[in-house]
Amino acid sequence: DVKVTQSSRYLVKRTGEKVFLECVQDMDHENMFWYRQDPGLGLRLIYFSYDVKMKEKGDIPEGYSVSREKKERFSLILESASTNQTSMYLCASRTGVATEAFFGQGTRLTVV
Amino acid sequence: EDQVTQSPEALRLQEGESSSLNCSYTVSGLRGLFWYRQDPGKGPEFLFTLYSAGEEKEKERLKATLTKKESFLHITAPKPEDSATYLCAVQAYTGGFKTIFGAGTRLFVKA
Repeated sequence: DVKVTQSSRYLVKRTGEKVFLECVQDMDHENMFWYRQDPGLGLRLIYFSYDVKMKEKGDIPEGYSVSREKKERFSLILESASTNQTSMYLCASRTGVATEAFFGQGTRLTVV
Repeated sequence: EDQVTQSPEALRLQEGESSSLNCSYTVSGLRGLFWYRQDPGKGPEFLFTLYSAGEEKEKERLKATLTKKESFLHITAPKPEDSATYLCAVQAYTGGFKTIFGAGTRLFVKA
């Protein structure tokens, strides 16, 4: 069974804190993605990576950064958390361009 | 502007009452259309990929179809366990590959 695992299901952080969200996939996929999901807005792409140490900005990268030091691991970093970053964060991976994505279970982040 | 619109936003059905969900898109360079199911508090789970107009895919009570402007997810004789949010995503090539998600249709099936 293919698997994408996110480090936390629920997180509560304070405004201004640095937050790390970790994602690991066991499928040897080159491509990994971070999305946030908000009611009525669908999934919005934050950052993606096509290879180790490579990263590309998505549609809403402001306030976020990423790290991909190993092929299986893709981390999302909130440099200074703000209340408008309260959301559901989803990590995904896929093997090629026109192929389906496999998603993690999501991290529900609340910034207070 | 590339856009994916799903309708209705929410759909309430009685068990056994067949219906369809719609995903309309305006993109150039379609490379694939994907359907996912998402249960509350969980990540989306892949259902189907469609690549060209006229293509159809089936799985249990679900059938996905594709035209040049839209896709339908037909649900035949739904059961309560089919209750979920169904997401449509389109992958397009416009100088680079891009995946655009619709906002989803929340399906409720009552016993």
